[in-house]
Amino acid sequence: GNSVTQMEGPVTLSEEAFLTINCTYTATGYPSLFWYVQYPGEGLQLLLKATKADDKGSNKGFEATYRKETTSFHLEKGSVQVSDSAVYFCALSGSQGNEKLTFGTGTRLTIIP
Amino acid sequence: EAQVTQNPRYLITVTGKKLTVTCSQNMNHEYMSWYRQDPGLGLRQIYYSMNVEVTDKGDVPEGYKVSRKEKRNFPLILESPSPNQTSLYFCASSLTIGELFFGEGSRLTVL
Repeated sequence: GNSVTQMEGPVTLSEEAFLTINCTYTATGYPSLFWYVQYPGEGLQLLLKATKADDKGSNKGFEATYRKETTSFHLEKGSVQVSDSAVYFCALSGSQGNEKLTFGTGTRLTIIP
Repeated sequence: EAQVTQNPRYLITVTGKKLTVTCSQNMNHEYMSWYRQDPGLGLRQIYYSMNVEVTDKGDVPEGYKVSRKEKRNFPLILESPSPNQTSLYFCASSLTIGELFFGEGSRLTVL
């Protein structure tokens, strides 16, 4: 079945540091890939997505590229801010159109001033 | 404002006392789903619904029931809650499977 593996946290960085959160997946066919973000006390929000190989999703300074050859979708940001502190979830949806979203376990990110 | 509304947001109950967590969305989405979030396990799907009167089991359906009598509402029912159902629950809806809109969550404690 489908699965998503994220780097374990927590991750603590200083403001303006470069961020990478690793995500790899296992799936049949051609899944769509997503990053969701959960700010403290809130529900998850879609951050970015990519629906086919080599697509780059981007939003709020975050980027992730769909790499089929390495089955990866790593999240990156060039200069993080304190307001980026949150839990980040990588997720995939199957290629059949009626499959559920499979989430990784989440990575807690804390940015210190 | 487009939103998914869950109630209650916080609940403490005792083993065996039936409870319902309501979920309502105002975006006319056909797809709705319930997840539970537990430390170290991420989000796991409980049930989902592709449309009115169509529901199906997710990864962890045991101990839960759902109904979808109208498009906007998708309540989660715990007929006889147990302590292992203590968790943070999220309802979500979408037009397409991957792009979910989540509610703010319902934190349930079963004593």
